[in-house]
Formats: sequence, C-alpha cells, structure tokens
Amino acid sequence: AQKITQTQPGMFVQEKEAVTLDCTYDTSDQSYGLFWYKQPSSGEMIFLIYQGSYDEQNATEGRYSLNFQKARKSANLVISASQLGDSAMYFCAMREFRGGADGLTFGKGTHLIIQP
Amino acid sequence: KAGVTQTPRYLIKTRGQQVTLSCSPISGHRSVSWYQQTPGQGLQFLFEYFSETQRNKGNFPGRFSGRQFSNSRSEMNVSTLELGDSALYLCASSWGRDTGELFFGEGSRLTVL
Repeated sequence: AQKITQTQPGMFVQEKEAVTLDCTYDTSDQSYGLFWYKQPSSGEMIFLIYQGSYDEQNATEGRYSLNFQKARKSANLVISASQLGDSAMYFCAMREFRGGADGLTFGKGTHLIIQP
Repeated sequence: KAGVTQTPRYLIKTRGQQVTLSCSPISGHRSVSWYQQTPGQGLQFLFEYFSETQRNKGNFPGRFSGRQFSNSRSEMNVSTLELGDSALYLCASSWGRDTGELFFGEGSRLTVL
C-alpha cells in the first residue's frame, strides 16, 4: 500500500484563489512528520511547511497552511491567494521517526498551474 | 546563509562508466540524505549520513554508495552505470536526524547514454 497518496495529478486554479492540495498518509507509527515541498521546473525542492504528529495546532508559514486531520490521516496543503509563481509540482512527504526510518517517503505529486 | 550546494548540476555519462556527485550541506547541518527522482519511480530515498556514518539505506543495488566527510560534505557514487540510472539526484541536509526542517539542493541531473 502506498504510504503517501496525492489524488490530484494536476490542477488549474485562477490567480488569487485559494488552493487545497490533498494528501493522505498511511503509518502505524505514533511519531512521524509530514512535509510539503514545491518543485519548480528548475528541479530544486523547496521546503514549504512541516507538521509533526504530536503538534496540536496546524502549521502555518505565510500563505501556506497545513490542514492536519490526524484521525483521517490527512495533511492537505492550503495556499491562500495563489500567485502565478506558485505554478509548480507539489509533493507531500512523510518521515516515520522510528529507529531505522528510511528517509522521506514522497507522494507522486500534484502539478499546479495558476492561470491569470 | 548559503543553501545546499550540489555539483555538478548536469552531466552525461555512458553505460558502464562511474560517476561521483557532491553535496555541501547548509553550514551547521550534520545530516545529509540523498534521493533519486525519475519520471517512472518518482522520488526514492537512497541513503542518509549523520556524523560520517551511514544511518539508513534505501532499496538500491550495491552500485550506489556514498560517504560523508568530517566537514559534513557528502559524495555519492554510482558504478557501472545503466541507462535506468538517468535521473535527478537530490541531496538534502538538516541539523539533526529527526527534525522537521529538511532542505534540498538543486540536484544533479545525470544522463546515461
């Protein structure tokens, strides 16, 4: 079973609208972290936001917020007031903090295109 | 503060050759991990180093190896290159192992002909 599922391969959104990118995860660990990265066409993975499994409040970083619903194993990324420069691939990732954890597990990504 | 630096950014090799990629982490970061990104397989974890010791290794053949130096800089090596090794190789650094901030470099794009 996939550990990280991103169900939206591609999205078109009008500039200035809010965007929600879906991410569900699967783990039996109690201690884990959830990450969102943006990857423009240049290839660099840009860190956006992090949520720890024990964090009680949803993480926020500027225009980015993470809608963390632990019982549903959901970690959706919300981008408020989208901009043309937000067009990129977006990846959700998880790290399980048990001993011997194997790095980050990534979803397949969502290709977001912001239209003027 | 300089980010994660990877060299070279682009390279072309032929089957059977070997390649060495370099990663300089953010100053003060002691953990370096490597990932392979391909259109078919997506992003896959290769290995992680912390304080010069390999801590974890992903499901890759022994042709893929790496090391970390005392200044936290890391190299990865791929021997006997195959066409399927063509990929973007990404390096990430963090100050510790179990941390919420993991920063990536721009990657090294390898093409195997």
